[in-house]
Amino acid sequence: DTGVSQDPRHKITKRGQNVTFRCDPISEHNRLYWYRQTLGQGPEFLTYFQNEAQLEKSRLLSDRFSAERPKGSFSTLEIQRTEQGDSAMYLCASSPRRGGEQYFGPGTRLTVT
Amino acid sequence: AQSVTQLDSQVPVFEEAPVELRCNYSSSVSVYLFWYVQYPNQGLQLLLKYLSGSTLVKGINGFEAEFNKSQTSFHLRKPSVHISDTAEYFCAVSRNSGNTPLVFGKGTRLSVIA
Repeated sequence: DTGVSQDPRHKITKRGQNVTFRCDPISEHNRLYWYRQTLGQGPEFLTYFQNEAQLEKSRLLSDRFSAERPKGSFSTLEIQRTEQGDSAMYLCASSPRRGGEQYFGPGTRLTVT
Repeated sequence: AQSVTQLDSQVPVFEEAPVELRCNYSSSVSVYLFWYVQYPNQGLQLLLKYLSGSTLVKGINGFEAEFNKSQTSFHLRKPSVHISDTAEYFCAVSRNSGNTPLVFGKGTRLSVIA
């Protein structure tokens, strides 16, 4: 069991550029979650998938954000036309069919300049 | 909707002393409860969870927590802390209908002093 992995670990981009992050969940975990964490705060839910179906999106997820999980395995989170307020740690987690707990990846730290 | 309040943003404690990190939650439905730890520049690691059954839950690294339904609390305790316990601790809640999104508190920074 290799754990949840995320790529890249760090991303620096200029305002207005598009960025894409990737998350590989623990194999056979059917649910995958995206969270955003800003300095001094707890993670905030963005969206989650069961297999390839996107089940729920937070109101935090503006139209500039889109997430996919096309084959029910890895997922991507894209942010279009980045703004300085998008600077944060983006965390991915996965969970098995039973158990309730979520396993987190190391995160992708985004800095928008 | 659920919400979580972590009553202390920072808790300094001397090495080998006991510690309690407080967590209260609000929910209109039954919930699952979790404590996670986050070390600098890392993701979150699960310390322990309450899904059902015994209200006293034991986790990794000597931590335990007690679920109190009447007080809607899930406080985290450790009888003797180590320097290596210095980290950010997050309490979280989810609906108990299955694997659903977590709602986190703002975190408590535990600083262990030698």
